[in-house]
Amino acid sequence: EAQVTQNPRYLITVTGKKLTVTCSQNMNHEYMSWYRQDPGLGLRQIYYSMNVEVTDKGDVPEGYKVSRKEKRNFPLILESPSPNQTSLYFCASSLSWGPNYGYTFGSGTRLTVV
Amino acid sequence: DAKTTQPNSMESNEEEPVHLPCNHSTISGTDYIHWYRQLPSQGPEYVIHGLTSNVNNRMASLAIAEDRKSSTLILHRATLRDAAVYYCILRGGPYGGSQGNLIFGKGTKLSVKP
Repeated sequence: EAQVTQNPRYLITVTGKKLTVTCSQNMNHEYMSWYRQDPGLGLRQIYYSMNVEVTDKGDVPEGYKVSRKEKRNFPLILESPSPNQTSLYFCASSLSWGPNYGYTFGSGTRLTVV
Repeated sequence: DAKTTQPNSMESNEEEPVHLPCNHSTISGTDYIHWYRQLPSQGPEYVIHGLTSNVNNRMASLAIAEDRKSSTLILHRATLRDAAVYYCILRGGPYGGSQGNLIFGKGTKLSVKP
């Protein structure tokens, strides 16, 4: 089944403890992206990658890092999480970044930083 | 800065058609109209997209006005599983962003009554 898989689904961590949220897609998609969703603010893009070794900042990149060493994987790294990064995170992928392509989203990771 | 306008909420009866409207009066000639939906506790799900002509797929139909300033997502027979927030998003042109960003507005919350 074609899908985007995120892990973990739920995570509670403490301030300052580094964590990684994994994202993997099995559709050979070139484009991958991370979003966070917060009440009243909607979904906002954190980082994106147009292909292997090509990543760039989205609208809210502060406090996050990403890497794209393989086409299928796009992990989101929080090196020193803070409570304002408590949010619902979604990974998405698409065959290409162009406007004529739809995106496939993962099921989400609910992160709580205490 | 949302470039589309949708009603906050709509109600439908199960097994009846649903027409979800979207206004995008400042759409440019190169903007694609995309629709996504988000079911409770899930990631956004691609529904359909189009440029000028009406489009059909297994999930829904997209009717685009001749002047492209509005569009309507049509669910032919609503089921309880269609209860979700539906987002109308423009991609490409001045709104798509160079990073393939999806700009989610507040969407329309669709309730389906048995």
